[in-house]
This record gives sequence, C-alpha cells and structure tokens, in this order.
Amino acid sequence: ETGVTQTPRHLVMGMTNKKSLKCEQHLGHNAMYWYKQSAKKPLELMFVYNFKEQTENNSVPSRFSPECPNSSHLFLHLHTLQPEDSALYLCASSQPRLAGETGELFFGEGSRLTVL
Amino acid sequence: GESVGLHLPTLSVQEGDNSIINCAYSNSASDYFIWYKQESGKGPQFIIDIRSNMDKRQGQRVTVLLNKTVKHLSLQIAATQPGDSAVYFCAENAGGGSNYKLTFGKGTLLTVNP
Repeated sequence: ETGVTQTPRHLVMGMTNKKSLKCEQHLGHNAMYWYKQSAKKPLELMFVYNFKEQTENNSVPSRFSPECPNSSHLFLHLHTLQPEDSALYLCASSQPRLAGETGELFFGEGSRLTVL
Repeated sequence: GESVGLHLPTLSVQEGDNSIINCAYSNSASDYFIWYKQESGKGPQFIIDIRSNMDKRQGQRVTVLLNKTVKHLSLQIAATQPGDSAVYFCAENAGGGSNYKLTFGKGTLLTVNP
C-alpha cells in the first residue's frame, strides 16, 4: 500500500466513449502527476499539478483532460481515444521539492486502459 | 534530445548471486538519479537515489554507483532473492522547480531463478 489509490484498475472503452480515471492520495502531498506507461516504452510524463494548479502539460493531446479539484484528488477525463492510447496510466504524488533536496514520487498501482 | 536508456533489457540470475543493472544517461544537467522497481501488476516503487555530487550510495542490499565521466549509473543488488524479480527503471531528474521532473529509462527485467 503506497498511499496512492487509483480506480478503476482496469477499463475497457470504445473510441466514442467518455470515461474518467481517478486518483486519490492519503500522504498529505501537494503535487500530483499523471504518467503513461506503454509496452516497451519508458514512462512518459503527461501532467503535473502543484497545489491544484497545472504546472506541466507534456504536449498531451486534448482527448486527455486532467482535473485536480484539491491536493488529494486527481482525475484524467478520457474522450474520443484511439487504440494507441491503450496503456497503463499511473498516478503519483510528492511533496514539493526543496532546492538541492532529493525525494521521490509515490506511485499508485495504475489503471490499465484498453481502447477498442 | 536528452535521454535515459538501459544497456540490457533482460537479466537472469541465480538466487544468491549479485545482480548489476546498468543505465546510461545523457543530460548533464540532471541533479539526481533514482532507481525504481516495478513488480508485475504494481506501480513503480522507490529503491534508492543518488545526488549528482556523489559517486556511490548504499542501501539495504543495494548500491548505486554514478560515473559522471561516462554518464553511467548502475544498481547493484547483493544476494539476489526471488522477490527481487521485477522491472527496474532508472530515472533522472532535471529541472522541474518545486516539482520532480523525472525522465525514465525503458527498464530492465530481472528474473531470479531459484
């Protein structure tokens, strides 16, 4: 148990569906992240939120829409996805980084998405 | 562009042996590096990190070595156990301000044979 919970763990959707992934962290962190993990590819950073404000959008297509209503919750709204969007979507959280300090991201177990 | 990569995609060892997983990086601005372990069906889990001003750091059964001259990072696991079987990722942090901006390598699959 990492303190970061993702739901659903598995999701199958058609290309015209609208669905959402949810992430909740119980660690008191202020930063939350979405990563995409595709087969045989490195983890790709998608979005970063710091104190509910989006600070990073790594050129993600608009069919992925993140939402961060508070520091503990993060959503990824999905609409008109493509089969190549099938992947494991990982949420992570962290404390704000102090200058010169190391630290870590705490990951959830991911939501396995299949787009038909 | 800058990248983090792994030399070997798979590594198979016998239980009790030592394991060495390698990683090459190219971003000289990275200020620290992290190793993560990902077991099947789980998210990545932090193992150990090292700052760019260090060349070695030890944890419990793990050691990370950093060679900035050749931009190389390695993870050594002593007395490898079946529970160590997983995919291991190196990641570098470059910038990000008050957030972490980790760039991950592709991963090495470690299989420990009993």
